[in-house]
Amino acid sequence: DAGITQSPRHKVTETGTPVTLRCHQTENHRYMYWYRQDPGHGLRLIHYSYGVKDTDKGEVSDGYSVSRSKTEDFLLTLESATSSQTSVYFCAIMGRQGGGYTFGSGTRLTVV
Amino acid sequence: DQQVKQNSPSLSVQEGRISILNCDYTNSMFDYFLWYKKYPAEGPTFLISISSIKDKNEDGRFTVFLNKSAKHLSLHIVPSQPGDSAVYFCAASEGNNDMRFGAGTRLTVKP
Repeated sequence: DAGITQSPRHKVTETGTPVTLRCHQTENHRYMYWYRQDPGHGLRLIHYSYGVKDTDKGEVSDGYSVSRSKTEDFLLTLESATSSQTSVYFCAIMGRQGGGYTFGSGTRLTVV
Repeated sequence: DQQVKQNSPSLSVQEGRISILNCDYTNSMFDYFLWYKKYPAEGPTFLISISSIKDKNEDGRFTVFLNKSAKHLSLHIVPSQPGDSAVYFCAASEGNNDMRFGAGTRLTVKP
């Protein structure tokens, strides 16, 4: 499968603390995405990147920031975690034309 | 504002029978539609896609049908197998970017 890894796989953090999730790809894809998955909502786009230092907001970007300093790494930061940010976070890269996105295995984040 | 809707949270079918998963969308600008399959503790994996210039696309046991006038698409799995048991997400986009997903349908195929 495409080389895309997320870290950590699981994290428990306290309300108000900063948290950074990492997505790393070895496919040299230009586009990278961060989604969150919640029951009843499916996957919702948080932020995406279309190149180094080029990022844009998705439909649920409030409370999140991202950075892309290298093609292979896309970081998602929760500046001050809240309980509403408890979710499973997926990173994705755009696959071959017509092939949709390739997703990482996800990070389960719990904010207590 | 959910632009892609999967109104059935779950579906149960017998092995060997047909599974039909449905999806509706509201944005008429969507021109690319996909289905993803997701197993527990894994990321979604791409299953099949269709562009708006077609009304059917087939890949082995999986067929996706698109009805643009009704803003409706469906995924048919024939014959269904126990290994098909998973959550299926419908997705749509304008181009291949900013993809919007439905809430998912959990398919259970009983032996």
